[in-house]
Amino acid sequence: ILNVEQSPQSLHVQEGDSTNFTCSFPSSNFYALHWYRWETAKSPEALFVMTLNGDEKKKGRISATLNTKEGYSYLYIKGSQPEDSATYLCASSTSWGKLQFGAGTQVVVTP
Amino acid sequence: EPEVTQTPSHQVTQMGQEVILRCVPISNHLYFYWYRQILGQKVEFLVSFYNNEISEKSEIFDDQFSVERPDGSNFTLKIRSTKLEDSAMYFCASSEANIQYFGAGTRLSVL
Repeated sequence: ILNVEQSPQSLHVQEGDSTNFTCSFPSSNFYALHWYRWETAKSPEALFVMTLNGDEKKKGRISATLNTKEGYSYLYIKGSQPEDSATYLCASSTSWGKLQFGAGTQVVVTP
Repeated sequence: EPEVTQTPSHQVTQMGQEVILRCVPISNHLYFYWYRQILGQKVEFLVSFYNNEISEKSEIFDDQFSVERPDGSNFTLKIRSTKLEDSAMYFCASSEANIQYFGAGTRLSVL
């Protein structure tokens, strides 16, 4: 894998349901994996930065895992709420600095 | 909470004109970045800046682009002679360590 890829491109979730989606990234020269939450017309909001294989991070109902050997990360949303509707971006870096972004997963939570 | 601010939120310019996009990073941050997102494409890295000089730049960042930190608070991106393909959302980010904090972006429309 040369690029950062996210799937699915979009998903619709019923309020209260849990969901997850994937980020694949180049595993060679890996330094860190970043997750951002981005609402239209707002700044992308940093959710997690993970560096170690097996890392798990949690922020409220959102959590993320990291597998650096196979080059993937999952983001989980437990008990989705309408305010979770956003585009979730992942980005990998090979050092401090330059982030290589995926195209994002757009999440729509319907009441 | 400290935030990265960008002005203007939308800039319209004629092809061939010079534009300056402005950013005020978070005050104690030392690393600064510009990214852009062309409509329908991924967010892509343009340039990083540290200690008053460019630390890394992408192949997009050619001689038409320049960055400057003219005083202690502002960080600017100048496009010398805009082209139609420069139309994009431009994001500024700053960091003191691993996490990059983004502004809400400036939408540049080149006519």
